[in-house]
Amino acid sequence: GAVVSQHPSRVICKSGTSVKIECRSLDFQATTMFWYRQFPKQSLMLMATSNEGSKATYEQGVEKDKFLINHASLTLSTLTVTSAHPEDSSFYICSAREGTGFNYGYTFGSGTRLTVV
Amino acid sequence: GEDVEQSLFLSVREGDSSVINCTYTDSSSTYLYWYKQEPGAGLQLLTYIFSNMDMKQDQRLTVLLNKKDKHLSLRIADTQTGDSAIYFCAESRNQGGKLIFGQGTELSVKP
Repeated sequence: GAVVSQHPSRVICKSGTSVKIECRSLDFQATTMFWYRQFPKQSLMLMATSNEGSKATYEQGVEKDKFLINHASLTLSTLTVTSAHPEDSSFYICSAREGTGFNYGYTFGSGTRLTVV
Repeated sequence: GEDVEQSLFLSVREGDSSVINCTYTDSSSTYLYWYKQEPGAGLQLLTYIFSNMDMKQDQRLTVLLNKKDKHLSLRIADTQTGDSAIYFCAESRNQGGKLIFGQGTELSVKP
């Protein structure tokens, strides 16, 4: 089945630095990728939707300059948390789809635990 | 608007059936999903149902959809300790649309 690889699985960084998270579709071409943020014991909140070769569409309230998304190829999307602060500490999960028809399901990465100290 | 609600906790004994409930508000929801999340991991798709279906069964999993009441349920038969996880329902309105998730139901299975 479809596999999405997300790296790193866990990262600790200092306040003020930037962190890049990678999301790769291993055996399919992902025309659309989604980035979610999950706080402890809470649901997944969609941050942005990215389509290969075009600018990401951000959800209301998500700072596009803070959370930079690049979807430069059909198999790779990256999320960069710039000038990270402790309140950015969270679990970030990506999801990828091969197409827009219903037979193309949503495949999730295993998530990245970001801790900003 | 877009709103998906779930109860937060459910505790059952091993071997019993578990029923996890979900309600949604968007009447144009077309596809409804159940995902499982184990601690520190991503989401695993368990099953899905189209809005024009009432019921779908897949091995130990049964999904019931009451479109009139906008109510979705997931029944897990013969619940095992390995079923302990957080279960999310999600809906989308079209084939290319984003997923809207509920808060997740933490299922605890006691031996």
